[in-house]
Amino acid sequence: QLQLQESGPGLVKPSETLSLTCTVSGGSISSRSYYWAWIRQPPGKGLEWTGTTYYSGSTYYNPSLKSRVTISVDTSKSQFSLKLTSVTAADTAVYYCARQAVSANYWYFDLWGRGTLVTVSS
Amino acid sequence: QSVLTQPPSVSGAPGQRVTISCTGTSSNIGAGYDVHWYQQLPGTVPKLLIYVNTNRPSGVPDRFSGSKSGTSASLAITGLQAEDEADYYCQSYDSSLSGSVFGGGTKLTVL
Repeated sequence: QLQLQESGPGLVKPSETLSLTCTVSGGSISSRSYYWAWIRQPPGKGLEWTGTTYYSGSTYYNPSLKSRVTISVDTSKSQFSLKLTSVTAADTAVYYCARQAVSANYWYFDLWGRGTLVTVSS
Repeated sequence: QSVLTQPPSVSGAPGQRVTISCTGTSSNIGAGYDVHWYQQLPGTVPKLLIYVNTNRPSGVPDRFSGSKSGTSASLAITGLQAEDEADYYCQSYDSSLSGSVFGGGTKLTVL
């Protein structure tokens, strides 16, 4: 059964870069049927889509974060990664990686990692 | 403010039926993009509850059902149980943002 696992620092200083990796196991990250996404949830708040990538390297970003976010994929390691620059306290959140189903009429997230809390603080 | 609008909270007694609305615009639900629902039990990871408006993943009880009409969608829960107490989120695609959008979430309280 496919599983996703986030990893990375739990504490990042303001103005620095947040870097997280999602490792996909039990299945292929190179599947043509799925995309791979990052979604975040600030403490006590709702879900926010951060961005999406495909095994080919195509990327799609939330316009509100586009100037600061980069998502990349490494198929040889079965991993995809998130980098968010110039972080502030507002970027403190649980960051989830997820598998994304896509068609002409939908995007949805059918499998999620456990999530990792990233706190931005000096 | 979220692109998709949900009521902040709903409640119901055990055994009752509750509905949660999700209102969008002409660039998302009204444009024909499908709606999906997630359940987030306290302290847990969001779980896909309904996909493509009306479909339940394997293992989701048929007490949960979804519908979509115009620029809105709804999640209905019948035979309410204490274990249904959770946050529920709707989600769709938005063509003006070229990406996914979520509702702000609805907290369901079972009285």
